[in-house]
Amino acid sequence: NAGVMQNPRHLVRRRGQEARLRCSPMKGHSHVYWYRQLPEEGLKFMVYLQKENIIDESGMPKERFSAEFPKEGPSILRIQQVVRGDSAAYFCASSPDRTELNTGELFFGEGSRLTVL
Amino acid sequence: GQNIDQPTEMTATEGAIVQINCTYQTSGFNGLFWYQQHAGEAPTFLSYNVLDGLEEKGRFSSFLSRSKGYSYLLLKELQMKDSASYLCAVLDSNYQLIWGAGTKLIIKP
Repeated sequence: NAGVMQNPRHLVRRRGQEARLRCSPMKGHSHVYWYRQLPEEGLKFMVYLQKENIIDESGMPKERFSAEFPKEGPSILRIQQVVRGDSAAYFCASSPDRTELNTGELFFGEGSRLTVL
Repeated sequence: GQNIDQPTEMTATEGAIVQINCTYQTSGFNGLFWYQQHAGEAPTFLSYNVLDGLEEKGRFSSFLSRSKGYSYLLLKELQMKDSASYLCAVLDSNYQLIWGAGTKLIIKP
């Protein structure tokens, strides 16, 4: 009965490299959300995806950041040409349905902590 | 703009009661959530309020007043393991969760 699985848990990159973060939602969940959290700050919404569709990417920077949730496989958050300001914890969450149809509880993964040197 | 306010940090004594407040200004309202987040871990769901009033769940209770844009989380019989950050989040009219910065709760023996 696996929960939301994220990997890697920790990732170190040098400026200019690419970072790929993966998220496998809970079994039966088709809605995935990515959040960024800086130290001592709250969660900042980045993007909301369903299988093969980006529903809302209003929180994601238009440059260097992209996300996908293919028909098969995990959701991937991709950050190109990373900069020091990208250092943060990136949390993925999943839900079984649109938040307006249930209590809206999100199930979070343990997060991926990106450090850019 | 949308805004969620909660105290940055609170300290309480083991066995006591603590109330963590949250005020919000959002474009629409479809419910308010409280999540608990231990350092370095994922947030976990505590409560959901969409109607005014108090919801009790064991040692934790959550209160909502929509007219005042106000909620609180009440923790009773505090235990050391309750030391964590408590995140308030509001589901706005677009069904997007708007998160507060969290309240770091420190429990002292």
